[in-house]
Amino acid sequence: QLQLQESGPGLVKPSETLSLTCTVSGGSISRSGYYWGWIRQPPRRGLEWIGSIHYSGSTSFNPSLKSRVTISVDTSKNQFSLNLSSVIAADTAVYYCARHENLRYFDPWGQGTLVTVSS
Amino acid sequence: EIVLTQSPATLSLSPGERATLSCRASQSVSSYLAWYQQKPGQAPRLLIYDASNRATGIPARFSGSGSGTDFTLTISSLEPEDFAVYYCQQRSDWYTFGQGTKLEI
Repeated sequence: QLQLQESGPGLVKPSETLSLTCTVSGGSISRSGYYWGWIRQPPRRGLEWIGSIHYSGSTSFNPSLKSRVTISVDTSKNQFSLNLSSVIAADTAVYYCARHENLRYFDPWGQGTLVTVSS
Repeated sequence: EIVLTQSPATLSLSPGERATLSCRASQSVSSYLAWYQQKPGQAPRLLIYDASNRATGIPARFSGSGSGTDFTLTISSLEPEDFAVYYCQQRSDWYTFGQGTKLEI
């Protein structure tokens, strides 16, 4: 059974870079057709797609965040990572990773990790 | 950006009743719409994809319908574990989510 788990700091200072890693278990990240995505959910608000990556390195980003987002993949570790630069308080959210099969829908999801932007 | 508007914001029903949730898109998304269920403290779970297809392991009491701009998620007979927040998501133009409908007892 495919499982995903987010990891990274829970507190980031304003103007710094938020960095998270998603570890995939129970299956290979290098399977053709599978993209791997990041989605966030600010407190008491809805869901926002951040971006997705294929194991080949091909990426797709939310246009509203593209200038600040980097997503990378490490197939040797079965992991992919998110970097969000120049963070502000509005970037405070629960960040989820998920499989984004053929760039269609997100399933399954990791349990999520809360990242707070505060000095 | 395609905006998805879900209604109602909150739906109060009892176990055994039928639930009907709506998702309206600001422009046509064809059938490229999914529904997710999110319980408190948990990640969303895919229920329905491409408007009417149940995801693996999803009970038959969940069904989806619609195309273009108007979509519906129906839960035929509510079980206690169905009370949660439901989101729709489109994949026609990038990926956006609705603001959610809270289904409460």
